[in-house]
Amino acid sequence: EDKVVQSPLSLVVHEGDTVTLNCSYEVTNFRSLLWYKQEKKAPTFLFMLTSSGIEKKSGRLSSILDKKELFSILNITATQTGDSAIYLCAVSYAGGTSYGKLTFGQGTILTVHP
Amino acid sequence: KAGVTQTPRYLIKTRGQQVTLSCSPISGHRSVSWYQQTPGQGLQFLFEYFSETQRNKGNFPGRFSGRQFSNSRSEMNVSTLELGDSALYLCASSWTGADYGYTFGSGTRLTVV
Repeated sequence: EDKVVQSPLSLVVHEGDTVTLNCSYEVTNFRSLLWYKQEKKAPTFLFMLTSSGIEKKSGRLSSILDKKELFSILNITATQTGDSAIYLCAVSYAGGTSYGKLTFGQGTILTVHP
Repeated sequence: KAGVTQTPRYLIKTRGQQVTLSCSPISGHRSVSWYQQTPGQGLQFLFEYFSETQRNKGNFPGRFSGRQFSNSRSEMNVSTLELGDSALYLCASSWTGADYGYTFGSGTRLTVV
């Protein structure tokens, strides 16, 4: 059975701290790994990673994929209270019976205190 | 451009009733998928449609069904509602599916009493 596991499940930090969120996966027909941020309802897209070792950056957020060790990390530097959210990791499929679906991890609840 | 639109935003239904939720994808997106989000199970895949055809279905009972219309709008239906169906139902759209990122709507919050 396909698995996507995120750690930690929750994290409390203070503004200015740097955080690293982890996502490991065991799936067949892997296509890409996606990161989403969910504040209230709609998960908003952060990154899609398909190649190993290539870091993607957007402002204070960055992410990288290791296809050999089957994991990804999401880094947030100089955290702000607006970064408080659930961070979701998901895997998409290249084909086979799972094509068209995303398998999500449990999510990491990040709380940033002023 | 407009995002993914889901209606209604909130619903309260009684056990045994049925419900229909609607999703309008981003213009040009032909893939629409549905997810159920609960505190205990997280986000779970329900089904995915592409050009009016269901390409994939998750592990949900047959009470959960969906369809996609020629304009790519999609509906999902849940019959004989149970208390455990209370959840946030999210719709996501994409150009073709796996090769592009998925954009989510704000969801429909369904409460079954």
